[in-house]
Amino acid sequence: AQSVTQLDSQVPVFEEAPVELRCNYSSSVSVYLFWYVQYPNQGLQLLLKYLSGSTLVESINGFEAEFNKSQTSFHLRKPSVHISDTAEYFCAVSELWGQNFVFGPGTRLSVLP
Amino acid sequence: EAGVVQSPRYKIIEKKQPVAFWCNPISGHNTLYWYRQNLGQGPELLIRYENEEAVDDSQLPKDRFSAERLKGVDSTLKIQPAELGDSAVYLCASSSRGNNSPLHFGNGTRLTVT
Repeated sequence: AQSVTQLDSQVPVFEEAPVELRCNYSSSVSVYLFWYVQYPNQGLQLLLKYLSGSTLVESINGFEAEFNKSQTSFHLRKPSVHISDTAEYFCAVSELWGQNFVFGPGTRLSVLP
Repeated sequence: EAGVVQSPRYKIIEKKQPVAFWCNPISGHNTLYWYRQNLGQGPELLIRYENEEAVDDSQLPKDRFSAERLKGVDSTLKIQPAELGDSAVYLCASSSRGNNSPLHFGNGTRLTVT
């Protein structure tokens, strides 16, 4: 069975600073990887996904994540954060598309003015 | 397109009372999921439907939880009787078939059991 680790439960960062949210997974087979974002009192929204091909994937709002198979990681990065990026970020893994999505415990990103 | 709709948004009940949650997935989405999200944690799968069939309910506490998805569209999740530890956010998600279909989540139902 797959599992997801997000070592940082909270990450405070000043506005316009870079940020990295770490995600590591374990699985015995090939996986699909996802980052979801959850704003207060809302459901989760897909931020970006890795299915195959290029190991670097980008979102429309400046986030990017790189799949590293040897380190079983899928860290999320943004070179310059905004106040509006304050939210909870969840890494998720799926061994088969549409089945058995497993989520990490989440990282709360707080962007400070 | 309309998103996943859940109701109610909030529910407060006393322990031992029953409670039900309702979910309307995105039109055309065959797969429907119920997740439970405890405070400060990630969502955990309770049950997954493919059309009207429950294909993964291994994490559903069947002594008190039940779910149904009649006609393969809307779904209800029921707890009877509720316990204090059931306080959480219950999230519904749906997806269509195919490699390019992500999970679409509703806003969830926040349950408080007193």
